[in-house]
Amino acid sequence: AQSVAQPEDQVNVAEGNPLTVKCTYSVSGNPYLFWYVQYPNRGLQFLLKYITGDNLVKGSYGFEAEFNKSQTSFHLKKPSALVSDSALYFCAVRDQYTGRRALTFGSGTRLQVQP
Amino acid sequence: DAGVTQSPTHLIKTRGQQVTLRCSPKSGHDTVSWYQQALGQGPQFIFQYYEEEERQRGNFPDRFSGHQFPNYSSELNVNALLLGDSALYLCASSIAGTGLHGELFFGEGSRLTVL
Repeated sequence: AQSVAQPEDQVNVAEGNPLTVKCTYSVSGNPYLFWYVQYPNRGLQFLLKYITGDNLVKGSYGFEAEFNKSQTSFHLKKPSALVSDSALYFCAVRDQYTGRRALTFGSGTRLQVQP
Repeated sequence: DAGVTQSPTHLIKTRGQQVTLRCSPKSGHDTVSWYQQALGQGPQFIFQYYEEEERQRGNFPDRFSGHQFPNYSSELNVNALLLGDSALYLCASSIAGTGLHGELFFGEGSRLTVL
């Protein structure tokens, strides 16, 4: 079965500092990994995805994520945080082996950027 | 280009009642998935519809049912509502041809409160 873990319920960072939101996954085959952001009382917005190729993936709003197969991780990063980045972030995975199209989401990490 | 639209945005029901939620996918999308997001949790997959048939189903009871129409729009029906059904119900659309690589596009959700 596929699963995702986001070990931090909340991450606090000062504006202008780099940020990292952690994600680890478990799948049987090759993973397809996604990051989404959710603002209060809104749906989820797609940020970026890893399918294959370069381990560093660039996405929307200056976010990037690094895929690490040996550590089964897909951490979200941004070099310089903005107050407007404060939101709820979800990591999600699909398993190439099972072929299930449903995305499995983590429990989410709340990012709080202080001015 | 209209994104995914859901209705109603908010609704309140009492235990035992039935509810129908509606979703129109993003233009050009042919696949609709439904997710339940309880407070403080990540979205949980309910089911997915493609070509007017349920293609995959998550771990939800038969009280949850759905339908997809020829124009690709979809409905989620929940019978015999329980207090635990209170949640944000998210509709997501995608293109079947993108397979496992394709990201989901989410609507703003329907907030269901069961009293």
